[in-house]
Amino acid sequence: GESVGLHLPTLSVQEGDNSIINCAYSNSASDYFIWYKQESGKGPQFIIDIRSNMDKRQGQRVTVLLNKTVKHLSLQIAATQPGDSAVYFCAAQRNSWGKLQFGAGTQVVVTP
Amino acid sequence: EPEVTQTPSHQVTQMGQEVILRCVPISNHLYFYWYRQILGQKVEFLVSFYNNEISEKSEIFDDQFSVERPDGSNFTLKIRSTKLEDSAMYFCASSVGQGFEQYFGPGTRLTVT
Repeated sequence: GESVGLHLPTLSVQEGDNSIINCAYSNSASDYFIWYKQESGKGPQFIIDIRSNMDKRQGQRVTVLLNKTVKHLSLQIAATQPGDSAVYFCAAQRNSWGKLQFGAGTQVVVTP
Repeated sequence: EPEVTQTPSHQVTQMGQEVILRCVPISNHLYFYWYRQILGQKVEFLVSFYNNEISEKSEIFDDQFSVERPDGSNFTLKIRSTKLEDSAMYFCASSVGQGFEQYFGPGTRLTVT
């Protein structure tokens, strides 16, 4: 069936290092992808998005890579800071329409 | 910066009671959504709404659920007869159009006892 999943439930990273969070999706019709950050007790916060006609997009300290061949995307956070500690979700949208299908989330823990 | 707001932040209700969760989407957005997140689980889609009608709903969104845009700013989710398993965080989201980022509100924590 259709699914969006993340490879690791928890990622521990030292402050200043780079973080890489991975996500796989199953539906080849998915053509719009978003990474969200969720801090405890808050709603998902938009980080960065990418459409299927691109394979890389960069924001401030974040980069999303999309590999449509293997249905995989990743979020890279450069120079991880304590404020980056949160749960990160990937979400996929099919045919650029309607609902977002979320993955299970990766908890990023930044250690000093 | 404009944001989605939701009220109340926490709602406690008894099983079988009706609840209404309220949202004010971002003012120039046209598409509205409700999602829920059971504690420790992933965010699940409930319903999308555009042009005063439901455009898509999930299997979770059964006859006990309804949505309404009663005026030009509010977007509500009603659960007619709550069940214990309805306990979750409920998030409202809005977007300016299809295929654009959906901005989420802070959520309403619903506790059904």
